[in-house]
Amino acid sequence: NAGVTQTPKFRILKIGQSMTLQCAQDMNHNYMYWYRQDPGMGLKLIYYSVGAGITDKGEVPNGYNVSRSTTEDFPLRLELAAPSQTSVYFCASSSPPRDYEQYFGPGTRLTVT
Amino acid sequence: AQSVTQLGSHVSVSEGALVLLRCNYSSSVPPYLFWYVQYPNQGLQLLLKYTTGATLVKGINGFEAEFKKSETSFHLTKPSAHMSDAAEYFCAVSGANTGNQFYFGTGTSLTVIP
Repeated sequence: NAGVTQTPKFRILKIGQSMTLQCAQDMNHNYMYWYRQDPGMGLKLIYYSVGAGITDKGEVPNGYNVSRSTTEDFPLRLELAAPSQTSVYFCASSSPPRDYEQYFGPGTRLTVT
Repeated sequence: AQSVTQLGSHVSVSEGALVLLRCNYSSSVPPYLFWYVQYPNQGLQLLLKYTTGATLVKGINGFEAEFKKSETSFHLTKPSAHMSDAAEYFCAVSGANTGNQFYFGTGTSLTVIP
């Protein structure tokens, strides 16, 4: 199993550009999550999904969009990138109630200048 | 909503000394409890977890944590710190009583002094 994979690892965007951060998991988990982590800070939940076709906002959803067309994939879309979106983005998955543990991807480091 | 409190955003210990990282949660119903570690420029890795059963849980790299229901705590300990333990540590709770949501503490940065 590859677990949770994220691409790209690094990206630099100019203000106003758009991009999609990719996340995939091969563990057949129903729940998937997107977090952002600012320097020296904890994790903030952006969006999550409890299954294909179902998504919901987390703590900091503004400026982002998600979709979940398959169990495996959960892409995060940034529209009109802003410097405030400079952060490290982590994708995670879990499978409650069978397994509440969250499995994390390696992260995408995004800089918006 | 659940809350997770990690006392001390920065903890420094000498190499070989006891490591104690504190975590308290707010819930009348015991949730599932987790400790994650994040090494510099890496993702989060599970150290250990408590779901049911024995309240003293052993994890990787010599860490352990004890679930104390009466104190609503899940403190992380390691008898002897190594330089390689320097990292950020996150406590988290989840479970059916959290609506299957995951709640993280704000993290504790551990520095190990040689």
